Amino acid sequence: NAGVTQTPKFRVLKTGQSMTLLCAQDMNHEYMYWYRQDPGMGLRLIHYSVGEGTTAKGEVPDGYNVSRLKKQNFLLGLESAAPSQTSVYFCASSYSRSVSYEQYFGPGTRLTVT
Amino acid sequence: GNSVTQMEGPVTLSEEAFLTINCTYTATGYPSLFWYVQYPGEGLQLLLKATKADDKGSNKGFEATYRKETTSFHLEKGSVQVSDSAVYFCALSEYDMRFGAGTRLTVKP
Repeated sequence: NAGVTQTPKFRVLKTGQSMTLLCAQDMNHEYMYWYRQDPGMGLRLIHYSVGEGTTAKGEVPDGYNVSRLKKQNFLLGLESAAPSQTSVYFCASSYSRSVSYEQYFGPGTRLTVT
Repeated sequence: GNSVTQMEGPVTLSEEAFLTINCTYTATGYPSLFWYVQYPGEGLQLLLKATKADDKGSNKGFEATYRKETTSFHLEKGSVQVSDSAVYFCALSEYDMRFGAGTRLTVKP
């Protein structure tokens, strides 16, 4: 099993450009999440999905959109990138949102917006 | 809202030293508590967890006990190795997963 994979690993964008980050999981998990990691702030939830075709906002959703057309894939889009979106982005998945279930993380995408 | 506070790093120890990384939390109900570890260039991996008060999570020589009376979940290891060098995140899960800021540990030979 590959677990959770993310594409691409690195990307540099100019302000105003758009891009899509792809997350894929092969564990048949219902729940998927996108986080951003910034120095000194831990991970913050951007959006999440409770199943195919269903998404919801997290703690810091502004400037991002998501889609979950297939159960195994969760896409994060930046329509007009800003320098404040320079960060490391992690995708995660879990079997359940029950409090006792851990999340499984991908290796991350390092995005720089100039 | 729910939150996690963990000790600021970085922490630098010599091999075989004792490790404690403090973590306290604020929650409205009965969360589960987790420690995740992030090795350089990788995503987070679950290190251990505890789902109710007085539970002790343990893995790879690391331990943490869910203390409801002090709202704490401190991470300990009796003898650290160079391979333990990583960033450690405390997290709680009630409605959403909330992470602490992370503590970078460097172990020197």
